[in-house]
Amino acid sequence: EPEVTQTPSHQVTQMGQEVILRCVPISNHLYFYWYRQILGQKVEFLVSFYNNEISEKSEIFDDQFSVERPDGSNFTLKIRSTKLEDSAMYFCASNVAGPNTGELFFGEGSRLTVL
Amino acid sequence: GENVEQHPSTLSVQEGDSAVIKCTYSDSASNYFPWYKQELGKRPQLIIDIRSNVGEKKDQRIAVTLNKTAKHFSLHITETQPEDSAVYFCAAAGSTNAGKSTFGDGTTLTVKP
Repeated sequence: EPEVTQTPSHQVTQMGQEVILRCVPISNHLYFYWYRQILGQKVEFLVSFYNNEISEKSEIFDDQFSVERPDGSNFTLKIRSTKLEDSAMYFCASNVAGPNTGELFFGEGSRLTVL
Repeated sequence: GENVEQHPSTLSVQEGDSAVIKCTYSDSASNYFPWYKQELGKRPQLIIDIRSNVGEKKDQRIAVTLNKTAKHFSLHITETQPEDSAVYFCAAAGSTNAGKSTFGDGTTLTVKP
């Protein structure tokens, strides 16, 4: 069964460093998302991406964050200058035709630890 | 924007009992309501969903009900088993903020053998 894959599974970085989290969505999916989950808390929406542009973003997704689809398969989240409060599990997700059309398929997550 | 509230935050039941988790949403334009199960250290995975043109949906031991007028929906798990122990999240999508699903805070369900 096809699945969303994410790398790295765990990254430790120093405050102020740039981090890039990578995702490969399911190949026939058109909508891509990043969510984050601080340990023990809810799943929070960061950004959705469709047709090579951001379709929606939350207030968490400030100027320090950016997303890119550099080629036909990868979908990346960049945090320009990490802060302690960026420590969380970051989930990539995709689905076929939009958030109200069916299941979000989540990757296994990338755990980011900012020291 | 959409706001989803979920109750209770924790729920402990004996094996074989039923469990009910409730969610309310704020945006009447939301039209898709999935439930995700997240086991410890794993990704959220869909267990059941319901659309706004349906009042109830059932899949074996799991059912979801939706009351559009009251803007609330509930997850019902019957004959609970220890492997049902996990965090359950409700979500709402399809509102005016069409690009996202909004999640509830989660319910930690513990099924005691």
